Amino acid sequence: DAGVIQSPRHEVTEMGQEVTLRCKPISGHDYLFWYRQTMMRGLELLIYFNNNVPIDDSGMPEDRFSAKMPNASFSTLKIQPSEPRDSAVYFCASSLAGATKNIQYFGAGTRLSVL
Amino acid sequence: AQSVAQPEDQVNVAEGNPLTVKCTYSVSGNPYLFWYVQYPNRGLQFLLKYITGDNLVKGSYGFEAEFNKSQTSFHLKKPSALVSDSALYFCAVSTMIKAAGNKLTFGGGTRVLVKP
Repeated sequence: DAGVIQSPRHEVTEMGQEVTLRCKPISGHDYLFWYRQTMMRGLELLIYFNNNVPIDDSGMPEDRFSAKMPNASFSTLKIQPSEPRDSAVYFCASSLAGATKNIQYFGAGTRLSVL
Repeated sequence: AQSVAQPEDQVNVAEGNPLTVKCTYSVSGNPYLFWYVQYPNRGLQFLLKYITGDNLVKGSYGFEAEFNKSQTSFHLKKPSALVSDSALYFCAVSTMIKAAGNKLTFGGGTRVLVKP
């Protein structure tokens, strides 16, 4: 398996523009997580899905952020409109259900720069 | 609520010396504990986990960790550090409580610098 695939790897945009980050989880995994990593705040969980259903979105910072998982093999994180403070590395991770299988596999991340 | 503390922002060690990265946790019920490593410009990679059983857990790249329930700690160790071990290390905790799902709570990370 190719692992968790995120695109794009790098995104540079201007303030006010819409940004869409994409994630393809490992086939067969039923949990999907979106994280944000910054120097100031470390690694933050934004939202996670189980069987394509959002379970906890309490980490989503503002209404400007939204996430969808239309099917088991694809998820998006959208920021609209984007702001400079959204600049960060965004990671997607997936895992299997069940406590003993609870290993999250991370993608390589998308580095977002909002100018 | 569950939480993880990594008290050291950075650990410096000479190559060949033992390496220890500290982690303490707080969780309701029995914990599941994890260590991840992040190399520059990469995602987090799983190193090892404790679920139940032997308190000493062995993982990838020669790392091990010891679960100490009385001290609520799960320190990461390596007997002889390599320069290539220089990276950012994250401790994480989950719980057996079903409502928590597969959610992990991560510590703030500890940067390890191994000098030749």
